[in-house]
Amino acid sequence: DSGVTQTPKHLITATGQRVTLRCSPRSGDLSVYWYQQSLDQGLQFLIQYYNGEERAKGNILERFSAQQFPDLHSELNLSSLELGDSALYFCASSTRDVSYEQYFGPGTRLTVT
Amino acid sequence: AQTVTQSQPEMSVQEAETVTLSCTYDTSESDYYLFWYKQPPSRQMILVIRQEAYKQQNATENRFSVNFQKAAKSFSLKISDSQLGDAAMYFCAYRRAFDSNYQLIWGAGTKLIIKP
Repeated sequence: DSGVTQTPKHLITATGQRVTLRCSPRSGDLSVYWYQQSLDQGLQFLIQYYNGEERAKGNILERFSAQQFPDLHSELNLSSLELGDSALYFCASSTRDVSYEQYFGPGTRLTVT
Repeated sequence: AQTVTQSQPEMSVQEAETVTLSCTYDTSESDYYLFWYKQPPSRQMILVIRQEAYKQQNATENRFSVNFQKAAKSFSLKISDSQLGDAAMYFCAYRRAFDSNYQLIWGAGTKLIIKP
């Protein structure tokens, strides 16, 4: 158990809908990262937050947005969902923005039908 | 842009034998970190081992060790005394050392099969 929690574990929704994925980092970690893993592929970095501020952006679609709250939990919002958005979404956390250790949550499996 | 390549989509090894997974990367940076992550069927991403580019000594963690060849931009993972629990997808990942963007850049993964 990495100490990073993600909810929900599974999510099934229809095209055009909007969903919110939640992540709670390890106690004391200030950085949160979001990654997308499509079927049988490597991970793609989406976005990073550090202590409430956006720190880096990767291949995140305009339909997706994220934020980190004062209690350091983070939410990833996915809207106007398409079939291709079906994937495993991972959250990871680290102590500092310079830390090289990222601890991953169990992921949220999103299925868009 | 940095890239990470894992040329072996799948590898198999007999239980108790040794297997080596390959990873190459492309970067113009001199300082960076390299990682191997394991993803078992549970889909949890588990850090196996990391290597700092400025360190010449190869990292080891119990049965896991790396062969880091900086000039060749190669970072292979050796698993000794393979166990059934080692069966998983293995991902190689790269991260720049000094940058405002600390994202991990990932290879496509190698599926490791352990034969009993």
